[in-house]
Amino acid sequence: SQQGEEDPQALSIQEGENATMNCSYKTSINNLQWYRQNSGRGLVHLILIRSNEREKHSGRLRVTLDTSKKSSSLLITASRAADTASYFCATSSGYSTLTFGKGTMLLVSP
Amino acid sequence: KAGVTQTPRYLIKTRGQQVTLSCSPISGHRSVSWYQQTPGQGLQFLFEYFSETQRNKGNFPGRFSGRQFSNSRSEMNVSTLELGDSALYLCASSPVGQRVNTEAFFGQGTRLTVV
Repeated sequence: SQQGEEDPQALSIQEGENATMNCSYKTSINNLQWYRQNSGRGLVHLILIRSNEREKHSGRLRVTLDTSKKSSSLLITASRAADTASYFCATSSGYSTLTFGKGTMLLVSP
Repeated sequence: KAGVTQTPRYLIKTRGQQVTLSCSPISGHRSVSWYQQTPGQGLQFLFEYFSETQRNKGNFPGRFSGRQFSNSRSEMNVSTLELGDSALYLCASSPVGQRVNTEAFFGQGTRLTVV
């Protein structure tokens, strides 16, 4: 079963704009991760934030985590056409098992 | 290092048949997990293997099974295929199975179509 939901389900922006995606989850977690998937291919890991962290940066990515609200957000700054993909949040409660949300489809137009 | 390798990439099978999918993890990774991705259900966890032992299992019928070999390579098998088994099957490996805060490395997946 899905751990939670991403919001929005789809997002369409212009190159250079920022894209923000949100993720909610239901149970306690050890960490939350964001992955990108291009057109039905494999998932690529973007960033991991631990349950005791509130914010993390990696290049143009900024992730926040609010464990009291059981929610996370992924911000992609200065979007590029190459950022067009589906983005998934995944939570881990133990070992290597990940529980994924349904994803946000991001379309970045030139 | 070579990435996670899944074979075959595409597969077409008939209802009632069985299928075996293969996954070679990144060298040194001992944890291998399998996921099913469909448009309706999204990404769902199938099972995880660590050191040849199934350590965790998702909510799938017994027709779905797997195993891991001593070299960490893993196979999953689906018997008596149904149309609803059509999906992208993804394999992921992780560096150290005992740690909880590690990323997973995914293969490109096997696209299974059941006709």
